[in-house]
Amino acid sequence: DGGITQSPKYLFRKEGQNVTLSCEQNLNHDAMYWYRQDPGQGLRLIYYSQIVNDFQKGDIAEGYSVSREKKESFPLTVTSAQKNPTAFYLCASSIFGDRGGVGEQFFGPGTRLTVL
Amino acid sequence: DAKTTQPTSMDCAEGRAANLPCNHSTISGNEYVYWYRQIHSQGPQYIIHGLKNNETNEMASLIITEDRKSSTLILPHATLRDTAVYYCIVRLRYGGSQGNLIFGKGTKLSVKP
Repeated sequence: DGGITQSPKYLFRKEGQNVTLSCEQNLNHDAMYWYRQDPGQGLRLIYYSQIVNDFQKGDIAEGYSVSREKKESFPLTVTSAQKNPTAFYLCASSIFGDRGGVGEQFFGPGTRLTVL
Repeated sequence: DAKTTQPTSMDCAEGRAANLPCNHSTISGNEYVYWYRQIHSQGPQYIIHGLKNNETNEMASLIITEDRKSSTLILPHATLRDTAVYYCIVRLRYGGSQGNLIFGKGTKLSVKP
């Protein structure tokens, strides 16, 4: 089955530790995205990548880092510099190159990170 | 900031049509209206999108006013599993933008037995 997987579903870390969230897709999508969602709020874009080895900051990139070494994978590292890391993190992907733009985004199930 | 305005919450009886409104008075000519929904603690799910014509798929119908300043998502026969937060989003579909979705707070739809 094609889709986006995120692991783990729940993650707990101590304050001051870096943590990496996994996102893998087998949809052959070029573009991938990371969003953060806080309780009762909409999604906010952290980073996005249109092609391998390239990525751009979103609206709230401070305290986060990403890499895009493979088309299928777009891991997000939440660093100790992120002041309020506890949140629900969502990864998404979309086709790139559809008439030169991007298509509908498909989301993974999310990872709920709690920093103690 | 989101370019859309939606009611915070709505109720609908199971089996009845759910009509979710969205205002997007500043929409530009090359921007599409997209609808996503998010069931609690899951990732958002794409529902439908449109430019100016009404659209229908297996999930829903999208009615866009002639001036394109507002739209309505219609779930024709709501079920309990349609209980979710529904997001109306305006964005470019092709070119220019990286396709970033700007999510507002959406409408919390509660389908009741």
